[in-house]
Amino acid sequence: KQEVTQIPAALSVPEGENLVLNCSFTDSAIYNLQWFRQDPGKGLTSLLLIQSSQREQTSGRLNASLDKSSGRSTLYIAASQPGDSATYLCAVMLSNTGKLIFGQGTTLQVKP
Amino acid sequence: GAGVSQSPRYKVAKRGQDVALRCDPISGHVSLFWYQQALGQGPEFLTYFQNEAQLDKSGLPSDRFFAERPEGSVSTLKIQRTQQEDSAVYLCASSFAGLAGDTQYFGPGTRLTVL
Repeated sequence: KQEVTQIPAALSVPEGENLVLNCSFTDSAIYNLQWFRQDPGKGLTSLLLIQSSQREQTSGRLNASLDKSSGRSTLYIAASQPGDSATYLCAVMLSNTGKLIFGQGTTLQVKP
Repeated sequence: GAGVSQSPRYKVAKRGQDVALRCDPISGHVSLFWYQQALGQGPEFLTYFQNEAQLDKSGLPSDRFFAERPEGSVSTLKIQRTQQEDSAVYLCASSFAGLAGDTQYFGPGTRLTVL
C-alpha cells in the first residue's frame, strides 16, 4: 500500500529565508507527483506537477524535485514571504485514472 | 463556472441523519473525484467518476456512503445515518480527462460536523 509522508509537520521561518519541504513515498511505481497549497477554509491549489520521467519542475520562486528510485521529493521555496503561509501537501498519482494519495501536509508560517 | 463549486459549504447534522453534498465540476471536465479530509490530515480518496460511470469506489469507508453523477456533470455524495467519525471536510475535484498529466482542480469543500 502506497504511503506518503511529509516532514516536518510544521515549520516557522522569518521572511526572506529559503526553505525545503520534504515528501517521501513507499512505492516508486507512480505516474506523477504533485505539490498543492491549501489555505484555511479553502480547497487545494496545484503548485507543481512532476511527471514520473522528470526530475524537477520550477514555477517562480518554487522548485520541486523528484527522485523516484529513492521515493523522495522536495519543494524548495526561495525568499519566503508572509503570503506563502499555508499548508503544503504532496500527492502521488498511482495510475492513469488520476487517483491521488496525499501526505499529511506541512503547515508553513512565514513571519514578517 | 470559473471553478469547482460545492454546496453547502458547511453542514451540521445530528447523528443518524442523512446528508447530501453537491459538487459542480468545471464545465467539460470528464473526471470527478471525491476526497475526505479529517482535521490535520491530508485528503483521502473516496471515489472517482469518468463521465457518469463510477470507475473506482474503493475509498468509500462504508456502505453508508453513496455517490452518483447521473448526467456526467454534477455529482452528489450522500451519507446515510451519519456518525461522529464522518465529521470531516469533503473535497471534490475535477480534471479534463483524469489522465496522468492532468491537473485536478479542487473545490472549497463542504465541512460536515456530526453532533
